[in-house]
Amino acid sequence: NAGVTQTPKFRILKIGQSMTLQCTQDMNHNYMYWYRQDPGMGLKLIYYSVGAGITDKGEVPNGYNVSRSTTEDFPLRLELAAPSQTSVYFCASSYSGTGAAGYTFGSGTRLTVV
Amino acid sequence: SQKIEQNSEALNIQEGKTATLTCNYTNYSPAYLQWYRQDPGRGPVFLLLIRENEKEKRKERLKVTFDTTLKQSLFHITASQPADSATYLCALYNNNDMRFGAGTRLTVKP
Repeated sequence: NAGVTQTPKFRILKIGQSMTLQCTQDMNHNYMYWYRQDPGMGLKLIYYSVGAGITDKGEVPNGYNVSRSTTEDFPLRLELAAPSQTSVYFCASSYSGTGAAGYTFGSGTRLTVV
Repeated sequence: SQKIEQNSEALNIQEGKTATLTCNYTNYSPAYLQWYRQDPGRGPVFLLLIRENEKEKRKERLKVTFDTTLKQSLFHITASQPADSATYLCALYNNNDMRFGAGTRLTVKP
């Protein structure tokens, strides 16, 4: 099983550009999450989804958008990229939304906005 | 405000010794506490979780304790090996919200 697959692994964007970070999972998990990780900081939740067609904001949603048209895919859209969005982005999934199961993370996308 | 604090400095220990990592929290009542391992350039990997009504959990060389009075979890790796070198994250869950600590970097020297 591939688990959670993220693409691309690296990307450099210019200020004001847009891009979509892709995330796919093959474990039939209903719960999916997008986090960003900055040096010396804990993972911060951007958006999450409890199932196809349902998404909600996390702790730091500004500047991002998501969609969940299928159980497998949960893309993260960055509109009008800003230097503050330079970070490592992780997608994760879980079969439980109650904290009773661990999250499976992808390998991350390292994004630099210049 | 809610805060999760892990050992702010890196932890260096000798192979074969027990590594003990700390996760403290304030203004929080987690129903579950989880521990993850993260290697450089990789995503976190789930190790184990403990519920609020459990005091201790073990998995092979790993042991986690959870003291809701002290608001603290301890993560132990016994008979540590150089392959255990990584950053370890604690995560607290309550009310549809999973929050992660910044992690502690562990180095096990041969």
